[in-house]
Amino acid sequence: DIVMTQSPDSLAVSLGERATINCKSSQTVLYSSNNKNYLAWYQQKPGQPPQLLIYWASTRESGVPDRFSGSGSGTDFTLTISSLQAEDVAVYYCQQYYTTLGTFGPGTRVDIK
Amino acid sequence: EVQLVESGGGLIQPGGSLRLSCAASGFIVSSNFMSWVRQAPGKGLECVSVIHSGGSTYYADSVKGRFTISRDSSKNALYLQMNSLRAEDTAVYYCGLYNSGYYVDHWGQGTLVTVSS
Repeated sequence: DIVMTQSPDSLAVSLGERATINCKSSQTVLYSSNNKNYLAWYQQKPGQPPQLLIYWASTRESGVPDRFSGSGSGTDFTLTISSLQAEDVAVYYCQQYYTTLGTFGPGTRVDIK
Repeated sequence: EVQLVESGGGLIQPGGSLRLSCAASGFIVSSNFMSWVRQAPGKGLECVSVIHSGGSTYYADSVKGRFTISRDSSKNALYLQMNSLRAEDTAVYYCGLYNSGYYVDHWGQGTLVTVSS
């Protein structure tokens, strides 16, 4: 099984400042035949289902603000919120979909400082 | 517009059974990959079962032999039959629709299953 880890567990950032979340997989999620990273990022607010933000590690889902960006390849990935807004307070999960039962990271809680 | 509405959750005693339903609209269930993902209270997300458009099914080790995923084309619905329930199965269960079989891009609102005596 591919194990996903995230860091930090939580972070508090001032409004308008940058938030960076790291995600690491225990083995590569880069599929060599198509050179795509099978990695997604989700945002989850209290009492709501997850919402897709990023797929293929760096492709923003339609309707997601451009302050959200994803980067990385292989086993190391990053989600960046370039200018934190109040509505971005949530838990963020990375997920690999390289294997059929894609595994999620443990989540990173983002709050306002 | 894609919509997913789960139902069937509730309080059940350990060892009991429950069937969750996910009513779908805006797409054809049997033509898509779909999943059940659960979230224990205050915890993270766990994919427990996936069904491919071709009918192949997959289960997490934690539920293998106890849970069965299925679908009904006539009702355009997805199901999760849960048997031999344990306290650790307590969670909100979400159904999810895959985009082209890769990542989930639509989720239902979830249904809470509580296993307790």
